[in-house]
Amino acid sequence: DGGITQSPKYLFRKEGQNVTLSCEQNLNHDAMYWYRQDPGQGLRLIYYSQIVNDFQKGDIAEGYSVSREKKESFPLTVTSAQKNPTAFYLCASSISPDRGVEEKLFFGSGTQLSVL
Amino acid sequence: AQTVTQSQPEMSVQEAETVTLSCTYDTSESNYYLFWYKQPPSRQMILVIRQEAYKQQNATENRFSVNFQKAAKSFSLKISDSQLGDTAMYFCAGMMNYGGATNKLIFGTGTLLAVQP
Repeated sequence: DGGITQSPKYLFRKEGQNVTLSCEQNLNHDAMYWYRQDPGQGLRLIYYSQIVNDFQKGDIAEGYSVSREKKESFPLTVTSAQKNPTAFYLCASSISPDRGVEEKLFFGSGTQLSVL
Repeated sequence: AQTVTQSQPEMSVQEAETVTLSCTYDTSESNYYLFWYKQPPSRQMILVIRQEAYKQQNATENRFSVNFQKAAKSFSLKISDSQLGDTAMYFCAGMMNYGGATNKLIFGTGTLLAVQP
């Protein structure tokens, strides 16, 4: 089945440690996004990428890094510089507007990151 | 600046009744998409309905419909015959500058809807 897979479902980070959240899609989508959701709040954009080997900062990129070496994959690294990383992280993807088809958006099931 | 605003943090409705969730947005772009997403306790984001800005006709999906007022930059969601399974957080979102270099999806802060039996 086509979709977006995020792993792990739960992740714990120790002080000063970098951790990487995985996001893989087999939908042949061009654009991918990372969002952070804090309890009782909306989604804030961390990073997004519209094509391979290119990505842009969102509203809260500090303390995070991404890569887009393959169309299917958009991993997010939470670095030690992110002082308040505890949150629910959602990955999403959408087809490129250039493809001339109706816009569709899909979300993964999320990763809950907590600090030990 | 491109923004999406939901001014109702929480709402409640009786089962089988109708409820309307409000959303306003701000963009200077002419080509954009608007969405309503549902997030139940499982936290999976589920697309409820979407509206292309160039279409004047309001989108409808079964019990869900929107009132899209482009001039007023308003995009409200109406849920008819509310069911207990509709209890969830609802997010309004916009993909502004669609097709442009800065195309990205922006979310509102959400409205928590409780359907009462």
